[in-house]
Amino acid sequence: EIVLTQSPGTLSLSPGERATLSCRASQSVSSSSLAWFQQKPGQAPRLLIYGASSRATGIPDRFSGSGSGTDFTLTISRLEPEDFAVYYCQQYDSSPWTFGQGTKVQIK
Amino acid sequence: QVQLQESGPGLVKPSETLSLTCTVSGGSISNYYWSWIRQPPGKGLEWIGNIYYSGSTNYNPSLKSRATISADTSKNQFSLKLSSVTAADTAVYYCARDNGYSIYGMDVWGQGTTVTVSS
Repeated sequence: EIVLTQSPGTLSLSPGERATLSCRASQSVSSSSLAWFQQKPGQAPRLLIYGASSRATGIPDRFSGSGSGTDFTLTISRLEPEDFAVYYCQQYDSSPWTFGQGTKVQIK
Repeated sequence: QVQLQESGPGLVKPSETLSLTCTVSGGSISNYYWSWIRQPPGKGLEWIGNIYYSGSTNYNPSLKSRATISADTSKNQFSLKLSSVTAADTAVYYCARDNGYSIYGMDVWGQGTTVTVSS
């Protein structure tokens, strides 16, 4: 199975700052098969990015995804208070679908 | 818009079978895959498996063949059965619409249901 490793584990930033989250795959993943989710406490994950770089419906343009092969990045250009949460990458290129372990973005 | 709602017992005894149902409203289960995902307390997400509306299934080998997913198009529902449960199966269980190998991913999720395995 494809193992996804996210870094850093925790990111401490202030509102207005830029956040850069990394997701590395143990083998190449098709760019059309990499997603990013946001999860807040007590809530279901919400799809932010699909196909590595396409924003899901209703997602603000401060969220952007990039990358290919084994290295993918989620960037939040300017953090809003509601962006502090846990973020997961997920691949759906090869079964079983797998998730990274998550990156927590917390207020500094 | 499409909404998903999980239902089932919140407490299951060890060695018994966990049974959950996901009811889809606002759209048909036809022409999509449908997934189950779980999240143990304080931990990350684990994909359990999915089913195409016509019945073909894929499972995570980590569940060692304990999971069975089925679909009922007449009720617009799909279900999960997980046999021989232990405390390690205690988790929030989510259902999600899964676009399979297409670009769109798992784009609609239920709110989740908590299942505790305990005697």
